[in-house]
Amino acid sequence: SQQGEEDPQALSIQEGENATMNCSYKTSINNLQWYRQNSGRGLVHLILIRSNEREKHSGRLRVTLDTSKKSSSLLITASRAADTASYFCATDVGNAGNMLTFGGGTRLMVKP
Amino acid sequence: DTEVTQTPKHLVMGMTNKKSLKCEQHMGHRAMYWYKQKAKKPPELMFVYSYEKLSINESVPSRFSPECPNSSLLNLHLHALQPEDSALYLCASSAARFLDTQYFGPGTRLTVL
Repeated sequence: SQQGEEDPQALSIQEGENATMNCSYKTSINNLQWYRQNSGRGLVHLILIRSNEREKHSGRLRVTLDTSKKSSSLLITASRAADTASYFCATDVGNAGNMLTFGGGTRLMVKP
Repeated sequence: DTEVTQTPKHLVMGMTNKKSLKCEQHMGHRAMYWYKQKAKKPPELMFVYSYEKLSINESVPSRFSPECPNSSLLNLHLHALQPEDSALYLCASSAARFLDTQYFGPGTRLTVL
């Protein structure tokens, strides 16, 4: 079953603009991760934020986590055409650890 | 080597065939995963192996049979599949079971006729 919902489902922007994607989830989490997937390919890990963290940066990526609202956002600054992909949030909720449940994903298109 | 490899890249099979998907990693990871992904949908967890033992089976039909012969290899044996099983099958691995990044392979695109 799907733990998270992502918003928007699709986003189209011009190169150089910022892209913001949101993820909401339902239950308490151990951590939340963001992954990128180019069309029909494997997923690439972008960033992991633990439940006791509020914000994390990695290059042009900024992730926030609000556990009180059960939501996270991914900001990509100064977007490039190569950022065109689907972006998924994934939450780790299992007591067994590392059972990822993915959100529905945001399809980002960056136009040159 | 931070790569997870999967073979074959594409597979077409009939409903009476038996086939296997293979996944390999040489990162020393002790947790390995199979996910199923339908078009325009998120990946869904199928199986988790931890230290070569099946630790999680997400209510997957028995026509899918996982196997972990050693710490580097993960197989998914397929038998009597249905057309609705057509999907991208992704393998992943991680160093530990808790709070760790999963590394994904490129996937096997499976078509069941």
